[in-house]
Amino acid sequence: SQQGEEDPQALSIQEGENATMNCSYKTSINNLQWYRQNSGRGLVHLILIRSNEREKHSGRLRVTLDTSKKSSSLLITASRAADTASYFCATVLGSRLTFGEGTQLTVNP
Amino acid sequence: GAVVSQHPSWVICKSGTSVKIECRSLDFQATTMFWYRQFPKQSLMLMATSNEGSKATYEQGVEKDKFLINHASLTLSTLTVTSAHPEDSSFYICSALGLAGNYEQYFGPGTRLTVT
Repeated sequence: SQQGEEDPQALSIQEGENATMNCSYKTSINNLQWYRQNSGRGLVHLILIRSNEREKHSGRLRVTLDTSKKSSSLLITASRAADTASYFCATVLGSRLTFGEGTQLTVNP
Repeated sequence: GAVVSQHPSWVICKSGTSVKIECRSLDFQATTMFWYRQFPKQSLMLMATSNEGSKATYEQGVEKDKFLINHASLTLSTLTVTSAHPEDSSFYICSALGLAGNYEQYFGPGTRLTVT
C-alpha cells in the first residue's frame, strides 16, 4: 500500500519560477528519496535525505525533511521547461521503498 | 556504474498468452531485485521482492501464480505474466538493490506491456 501522500497532485508554473512539492508519510523511515519520471519513461533518482538530516541541496534542488511531522518537501529553483515531469517521493525502511502518489509538474516556457 | 536494463522495452501480446520480462544488473551483482507495476497516471506499486536463489516474496493482492518471478543469478531476474489479460496492461519496472549498504535501489527503464 502507498503510504506517501504528495501535494499538490499537479502544479503548473512559468519557466524561471520555483516549484515546491510536498510529501507526507506515516511510518518510520531510514531515508527518503525523490525521483523524477518523464512521461512513459523510467525513474531518475534525484536526491536522498537520511532520517537524521534536515536539509540537503543538489544543484537547483533543495530537499527538507521533518521527521517529527513526517513530511518532506522538494524545491526546484529557477525551473526550466525540461523540468516538466512527474515527481515522486519514496520512503525507505530497510530495503523496502514505498512511493508517494506523485506530483505532475508542468513548466511552461 | 549501477546500470539496470530491462528487456523488452515494450511488448504487445494477445490475451491468454504469456510474456517474459527480463531485468539485468549490468555492472554489479544484485541479490535482491524488486518488481513494480505502474498504471497510467498512477504511482509505482511494489509487486514482489525477488531474492537470488530463493522464492520471491509477493505483496498482498498480487497473484504469485500469475506473475512468476525467477531470480536465477545475481544479475538476472525475470517476471513472467502468465495468461495475460487486458487488465494486466501496465508499465512494469524493476529495480536492483545495491550492495553498498545504503539501500539504494537502481531502476530499470521499464517495460510497457499491452495486452490486446
